[in-house]
Amino acid sequence: GDQVEQSPSALSLHEGTGSALRCNFTTTMRAVQWFRKNSRGSLINLFYLASGTKENGRLKSAFDSKERYSTLHIRDAQLEDSGTYFCAAEMNTEGADRLTFGKGTQLIIQP
Amino acid sequence: EAAVTQSPRNKVTVTGGNVTLSCRQTNSHNYMYWYRQDTGHGLRLIHYSYGAGNLQIGDVPDGYKATRTTQEDFFLLLELASPSQTSLYFCASSDARGDTQYFGPGTRLLVL
Repeated sequence: GDQVEQSPSALSLHEGTGSALRCNFTTTMRAVQWFRKNSRGSLINLFYLASGTKENGRLKSAFDSKERYSTLHIRDAQLEDSGTYFCAAEMNTEGADRLTFGKGTQLIIQP
Repeated sequence: EAAVTQSPRNKVTVTGGNVTLSCRQTNSHNYMYWYRQDTGHGLRLIHYSYGAGNLQIGDVPDGYKATRTTQEDFFLLLELASPSQTSLYFCASSDARGDTQYFGPGTRLLVL
């Protein structure tokens, strides 16, 4: 099965509202990274966490290695937040130096 | 902010064609990676490298070769392209294991 399970696969929000994306891991991960793929197809780094929470503007992310999940919260959503969001996790094993990606969440912000 | 560039940005080839995708990073990062991104699969690692001359097999390496000629440059080679290799390809780099990976803008490849 997939080591990184991302949900929901698609989400529609109205401007000004908020929600959360989630990634569950089937094994202990050392770190997680969140990305947004914009309309031009570029991947934008959002967060890198080895533990705890980080906040940047209207985005906030949390990572709990022991409980095997990470979340990305969006508040006061704006039209430009639309895109596909990916989480990617790094396994907690010696020699691990690769990211395992979730399948993405397609976020649509409606006026 | 780390700089990773890819070329070409778009490429069309025919089945059996020979394609080389280029990636360059100018931040002296040790690690470089090639991914493909397909709907329903997220990003999947094709090959990666620790440094010049080094190559490691990723998760979906079949049909791909790669070469790291310098610390800055990492190439992905499709010697006999197939339609199943139609995808969006991303290159990334990171300074060390466990560091944030910085991604290039992507290359769209269409194999007819």
